Amino acid sequence: AQSVTQLDSHVSVSEGTPVLLRCNYSSSYSPSLFWYVQHPNKGLQLLLKYTSAATLVKGINGFEAEFKKSETSFHLTKPSAHMSDAAEYFCVVHLSGGYNKLIFGAGTRLAVHP
Amino acid sequence: EAQVTQNPRYLITVTGKKLTVTCSQNMNHEYMSWYRQDPGLGLRQIYYSMNVEVTDKGDVPEGYKVSRKEKRNFPLILESPSPNQTSLYFCASSLGGTQYFGPGTRLLVL
Repeated sequence: AQSVTQLDSHVSVSEGTPVLLRCNYSSSYSPSLFWYVQHPNKGLQLLLKYTSAATLVKGINGFEAEFKKSETSFHLTKPSAHMSDAAEYFCVVHLSGGYNKLIFGAGTRLAVHP
Repeated sequence: EAQVTQNPRYLITVTGKKLTVTCSQNMNHEYMSWYRQDPGLGLRQIYYSMNVEVTDKGDVPEGYKVSRKEKRNFPLILESPSPNQTSLYFCASSLGGTQYFGPGTRLLVL
């Protein structure tokens, strides 16, 4: 069965310090993986996606994620947090073929303090 | 501008009063879906559609109906809403796995 586990429901960092949001997945196939961000009272915006090309994926707003098959992980990082990064982040597995379905993690709420 | 639109954005209703949330996309995507978002649960898929007149149940379809008569539109119908359907709803359309989300509809059922 496919699943996604976001290991932290809340992460709090100071502005200017690194961000690490952790995600582990379970998939029978080589998955496509995504990170989406949701700012308060907004829809979901695609941050980045992994589709079996380079294992280090760069996204928007300075975020990047590394696909590690041996660890079944797809952690999201950013070297230096900005106040505007405060949002909820979702790690997502894409099931392709006849399903074309996304499986969402429960989300990680990132707080950034001055 | 490529976008997914939903209406209404906010809705308060009472138990049993039928309602429809509209969804429209202008990207000519074949695949569309509906999700509900509840605290601590992430997004869960309600229904999806692979193309016109082709729909199927997602993970939480009970209490919902959909239709896909045109490629661009995918309305979500609650025939007899109940309080446990109070949630934030998102419509999405997709191409190649990347989903484009609407702005969301916040529904409160009293």
